[in-house]
Amino acid sequence: EIVLTQSPDTLSLSPGERATLSCRASQSVSSIHSAWYQQKPGQPPRLLIYGASTRATGIPDRFTGSGSGTDFTLTISRLEPEDFGVYYCQQYGDSSWTFGQGTKVEIK
Amino acid sequence: QVHLQESGPGLVNPSQTLSLTCTVSGDSISSGDFYWTWIRQPPGEGLEWIGYTRWTGNTYYNPSLRNRFTISLDTSKNQFSLKLPSVTAADTAVYSCARSYCRANTCYYFDYWGQGTLVTVSS
Repeated sequence: EIVLTQSPDTLSLSPGERATLSCRASQSVSSIHSAWYQQKPGQPPRLLIYGASTRATGIPDRFTGSGSGTDFTLTISRLEPEDFGVYYCQQYGDSSWTFGQGTKVEIK
Repeated sequence: QVHLQESGPGLVNPSQTLSLTCTVSGDSISSGDFYWTWIRQPPGEGLEWIGYTRWTGNTYYNPSLRNRFTISLDTSKNQFSLKLPSVTAADTAVYSCARSYCRANTCYYFDYWGQGTLVTVSS
């Protein structure tokens, strides 16, 4: 089973700052099967990025996904107040999905 | 617009069976391109994929969950369901159904989610 480890656990930043979230896989994964989600309290996750770098419909261009192999990154270029929440990476392989444990982006 | 809605009891006694249903609108669960999935999230914790079903009735489960769950579908009602017997407090979680985008027997991401329903296991 592929394990996804996200870092940091918590990111404390101010609006306007840049956020860099990391997701490391325990073994190499296919980029086309990786994705990122944003979750706010009381809401289901929202798809942000799929195929490692493709923004989902309606996602602003301040969100950028990158990476390959075992290392993937989600960058938020300038944090907006609505961007605070928990972010999860996800990958699909061997007929199974796994998620990272999440990175909480909170207001500093 | 695709919409998924979970339904079922919010409180289950220990050792009893958890039963949930996901009703899909805006898409047919008989369409071949998607897998219909259950995911859970214990309070304050991360996401755990439970399993999926396809229009063929085939199912596949998270190997780490030791075959505890059963997923089935009812195409006549455009619903799919989840059952978990012999629940314990550790099964307390928000249970969500989701549609996973798949093509040619491989999958990519979850594009639509239900709101999720909290199931508490307690006497």
